[in-house]
Amino acid sequence: DTEVTQTPKHLVMGMTNKKSLKCEQHMGHRAMYWYKQKAKKPPELMFVYSYEKLSINESVPSRFSPECPNSSLLNLHLHALQPEDSALYLCASSFGTSRMSETQYFGPGTRLLVL
Amino acid sequence: AQKITQTQPGMFVQEKEAVTLDCTYDTSDPSYGLFWYKQPSSGEMIFLIYQGSYDQQNATEGRYSLNFQKARKSANLVISASQLGDSAMYFCAMREGIGGSTLGRLYFGRGTQLTVWP
Repeated sequence: DTEVTQTPKHLVMGMTNKKSLKCEQHMGHRAMYWYKQKAKKPPELMFVYSYEKLSINESVPSRFSPECPNSSLLNLHLHALQPEDSALYLCASSFGTSRMSETQYFGPGTRLLVL
Repeated sequence: AQKITQTQPGMFVQEKEAVTLDCTYDTSDPSYGLFWYKQPSSGEMIFLIYQGSYDQQNATEGRYSLNFQKARKSANLVISASQLGDSAMYFCAMREGIGGSTLGRLYFGRGTQLTVWP
C-alpha cells in the first residue's frame, strides 16, 4: 500500500482566514514533504521533515507554517495568504532521505484558491 | 544550469503505439537516482520507475522502461502499447548523492504533456 491521503481536496479561503491542510500516511515512512505546484509547472519543494524534525525549509514565507505532530501526520497551517498562493499543494512521503533509491509517494493534493 | 531538462512540452501518440519521452540531466555527482512520475489532470503524482546511477541494467516496470545512457546523461522513458489512460503530464526527476545524504531533495524537469489519441 503506497497511499498518502490529503484533506481537504479543495479549499477556498480569504486573505484573512486561517486554515490547515492535512496529510497522512501509514506506510512507516519517516520523511514527509510539502510541495507547491502551479498550473503547468513542476512541483516546488517547500518543506522536508525527517524523523519529525524540520530538515529543509526552502525560504517559504512565514504565512505557511508546517507541523509534524507524529511520524504519520503532516500539517500545513495557512494564515494571511495572498492570491498568488493559489496552487495545488502536494504532500509526499518516503522511508527516509538518505538513500538514493528512496521513492517519494505523493498524495492527491489540495487545490487551494485564495480570494 | 538546469539539473533536469525535458525538451518536449507536448507529445502525441496513437493508442497501442510506443512513445519515448526525453530527459537529460546534469550532475557532477557519481551517485544519483532518476525517477519518472505521471501526473493526470486529477493532480496526483504517480511514481512510475526508478534508475540508479550504478544500476547496470535499464529499469523496467510493466509497460514502462527507462532508456538510461549514462555517458549522454539521458534517461528517456519509453511507454509501450500506449493507452488512452496514459494521457497525462510526465515529470523526470533526479536526486543527487551529495555527502551521502541528499535530504530528500528532488529536482524536477518542466514536464512533457502526453496525449494518446484513439
